[in-house]
Amino acid sequence: AQTVTQSQPEMSVQEAETVTLSCTYDTSESDYYLFWYKQPPSRQMILVIRQEAYKQQNATENRFSVNFQKAAKSFSLKISDSQLGDAAMYFCAYRSPNTGTASKLTFGTGTRLQVTL
Amino acid sequence: DAGITQSPRHKVTETGTPVTLRCHQTENHRYMYWYRQDPGHGLRLIHYSYGVKDTDKGEVSDGYSVSRSKTEDFLLTLESATSSQTSVYFCAINRGAGGRNEQFFGPGTRLTVL
Repeated sequence: AQTVTQSQPEMSVQEAETVTLSCTYDTSESDYYLFWYKQPPSRQMILVIRQEAYKQQNATENRFSVNFQKAAKSFSLKISDSQLGDAAMYFCAYRSPNTGTASKLTFGTGTRLQVTL
Repeated sequence: DAGITQSPRHKVTETGTPVTLRCHQTENHRYMYWYRQDPGHGLRLIHYSYGVKDTDKGEVSDGYSVSRSKTEDFLLTLESATSSQTSVYFCAINRGAGGRNEQFFGPGTRLTVL
């Protein structure tokens, strides 16, 4: 079974600064998908970014980018130019390849990000 | 978002009471999921469905049952609620095809079992 580990329960960043959230995972599969979800105080789960394991290029979505190190099984999220609206819980998630069955997600325990002025 | 609603949004019940949570989607997606979120555990899969009347267990299925009689509705039932089932419950759907599919979540239901 796959496991996802987020070792930073809480992080803090100043507005306009850059912060990196860590995620490691354990799997024996060679092809898979990784995701970062954001959960603001509203409780809504929002997909931030995804990465396909077969792609060497790191995914980027505006101020959000990832550092995907497949050999190290590491998938960190970098938030640039942090804004107050980035304050939230962030979850890393793993998904096995779609083999015709349900695409179940395995989540980490989350990192709570605080953004200060 | 993603055309997913959950009802009720909040519920307080007593131990031993049956509880049913409803997930409704408007986009005709085949796959639907129920997760629970607890501090220190992230989200964990309870049950999922891959079509009408087709369901299977997830990681933490004990004490829960599900039903899907229509494509748009996926029901989660706690036959006899216990305090350990106090949690926030999320429904999700798969949007997209093949390996590009992504899960989108409903707004969640906060359940408190006294």
